[in-house]
Amino acid sequence: QLQLQESGPGLVKPSETLSLTCTVSGGSISSGSSSSISYFWDWIRQPPGKGLERIGSFHYSGNTYYNPSLKSRVTISVDTSKNQFSLKLSSVTAADTAVYFCARVVSDCSDLTCHKGYFDLWGRGTLVTVSS
Amino acid sequence: DIVMTQSPDSLAVSLGERATINCKSSQSVLYSVNNKNYLAWYQQRPGQPPQLLIYWASTRESGVPDRFSGSGSGTDFTLTISTLQAEDVAVYYCQQYYNTPPTFGGGTKVELK
Repeated sequence: QLQLQESGPGLVKPSETLSLTCTVSGGSISSGSSSSISYFWDWIRQPPGKGLERIGSFHYSGNTYYNPSLKSRVTISVDTSKNQFSLKLSSVTAADTAVYFCARVVSDCSDLTCHKGYFDLWGRGTLVTVSS
Repeated sequence: DIVMTQSPDSLAVSLGERATINCKSSQSVLYSVNNKNYLAWYQQRPGQPPQLLIYWASTRESGVPDRFSGSGSGTDFTLTISTLQAEDVAVYYCQQYYNTPPTFGGGTKVELK
């Protein structure tokens, strides 16, 4: 059974960089796609008491997508040797306080740049608070 | 971006009764080539991540009880819980994946009456 687990600091100071890692166990980030299904790997966040916002997405081929509203501050990278993918969000403010989830996306796209699908597996989430 | 609007924001239902949640998209999420609606539903219990319930608007994810059903097409969709159980108290979200970026509705909170 594939599982995802977020890890990283729970407290970040304003103007600094938030760094989180998602470790995938029970399966590989770089396998599993077929002729009819592709998998993307996402970061999503949820401010306290609010809804869900996609931060960004990547495919193991190296293609990435970032939310335009966050694009200038976001980097998603992957370490296939460790079966992990990471999020860096720079210049954080209190507005970036949220529970951060990593998730797998199931897509029927044959175009590996499409970055769309439904989210079938989620990590438990980690609360990151931005405060001095 | 496609805007997803859910109604109501919250509803209180008695145990064993039916709960109905609506979701409307700002444009059709029906792809005419394959006749599929690119619409999913999730359940989020307090303190937990969202859990996939339904995809392709009406396909139940493996392990999801059959009291959960999805219906609708084009721009209007419904999630129905046929007989509410205590463990169904949660916030429910719809999500479109017709376009990038995928977008979520604002959520509907289901409580016990």
